Amino acid sequence: AQSVTQPDIHITVSEGASLELRCNYSYGATPYLFWYVQSPGQGLQLLLKYFSGDTLVQGIKGFEAEFKRSQSSFNLRKPSVHWSDAAEYFCAVGWEEYGNKLVFGAGTILRVKS
Amino acid sequence: DAGVTQSPTHLIKTRGQQVTLRCSPKSGHDTVSWYQQALGQGPQFIFQYYEEEERQRGNFPDRFSGHQFPNYSSELNVNALLLGDSALYLCASSPPTADTQYFGPGTRLTVL
Repeated sequence: AQSVTQPDIHITVSEGASLELRCNYSYGATPYLFWYVQSPGQGLQLLLKYFSGDTLVQGIKGFEAEFKRSQSSFNLRKPSVHWSDAAEYFCAVGWEEYGNKLVFGAGTILRVKS
Repeated sequence: DAGVTQSPTHLIKTRGQQVTLRCSPKSGHDTVSWYQQALGQGPQFIFQYYEEEERQRGNFPDRFSGHQFPNYSSELNVNALLLGDSALYLCASSPPTADTQYFGPGTRLTVL
């Protein structure tokens, strides 16, 4: 069965520090990969996506993510975190053979301390 | 350009009642998907509509049903509500021949 794992439920970083949020997925050789961000009580905003090509993708708000097929991972990074980045981050994966249904991880809550 | 819109924002129902949630996709989008997000969890796929037909369905009971209209807007209906149906219901739309889903703000359903 398809699954997505975000191993960190909570992460706290200092403002200005770097950030890496982990995401691993199971099943399938042709994933479509996404990172979304959700502020409290809000919907999901797309940060970035990977379909094919260059495995390092750039997104909005200074975020980037790297697809590593050998590790089934799609980790999200930001070199310098701002207080406004505090939110919950979701990794989502779609598989070509399953249409464009998305399977989400459980999310990582990011806290930023000043 | 308006994004995905959903109504109502909040809804309170009692067990056994029925509810209808509504979604209007982004302009130019023809596919609508619905997700349920329980508190503290990631969204779970309910179903997807394309060309007014249910194209895919997740692991949800038949109490959950939907509809897509010719203008691509969509409704999610839930019958015989249970306490466990309390959640944020998210609608997402995607354009033709593309797999990126854009989400609306959600409808918060509380079942008492």
